[in-house]
Amino acid sequence: AQSVAQPEDQVNVAEGNPLTVKCTYSVSGNPYLFWYVQYPNRGLQFLLKYITGDNLVKGSYGFEAEFNKSQTSFHLKKPSALVSDSALYFCAVSPRNRDDKIIFGKGTRLHILP
Amino acid sequence: DVKVTQSSRYLVKRTGEKVFLECVQDMDHENMFWYRQDPGLGLRLIYFSYDVKMKEKGDIPEGYSVSREKKERFSLILESASTNQTSMYLCASSRYTQYFGPGTRLTVL
Repeated sequence: AQSVAQPEDQVNVAEGNPLTVKCTYSVSGNPYLFWYVQYPNRGLQFLLKYITGDNLVKGSYGFEAEFNKSQTSFHLKKPSALVSDSALYFCAVSPRNRDDKIIFGKGTRLHILP
Repeated sequence: DVKVTQSSRYLVKRTGEKVFLECVQDMDHENMFWYRQDPGLGLRLIYFSYDVKMKEKGDIPEGYSVSREKKERFSLILESASTNQTSMYLCASSRYTQYFGPGTRLTVL
């Protein structure tokens, strides 16, 4: 069965420091991998998606994610955190071309400290 | 840009009422989804639809039904609302990537 794990419920980072939000997955084949962000009382916003090719995927708001097939990880990163990055972040995985089978992680709350 | 809209941002209903939540997308996507989001439980799929008049149950369909009469519109129906259906409801549409609406925070008193 496929699964997604976000091992940290919360991550605290000082403004200006680099941030990493971790995600590991278990899916057979070559899945699609996603990151979404959710601000308070809002829906999820799509940040980025890995399909194939370059292991470093660039997305919205300066975020990027690194795909590591051997470690089955897809960590979200940003070189310099902003207070406005504080939000809930979701990792998700789906079998290739089957977004109806998408699985979301439980979410990681990111706090950027001024 | 993909746009997914939901009929209400906040809704308060009484136990036993019939509740309709509507979702509209403007990107001609075949797939549409309804989720509920609760603290500590993440997103849970209620129903999804892969075409007009076609639907499949998700992980937690009990107490809910759906309707998709037109491709752009997907409705979630609570036949008789109960307090345990108080939640944030999220609609999404997709063609290989899911795009979400702003959510409806439903409170059932």
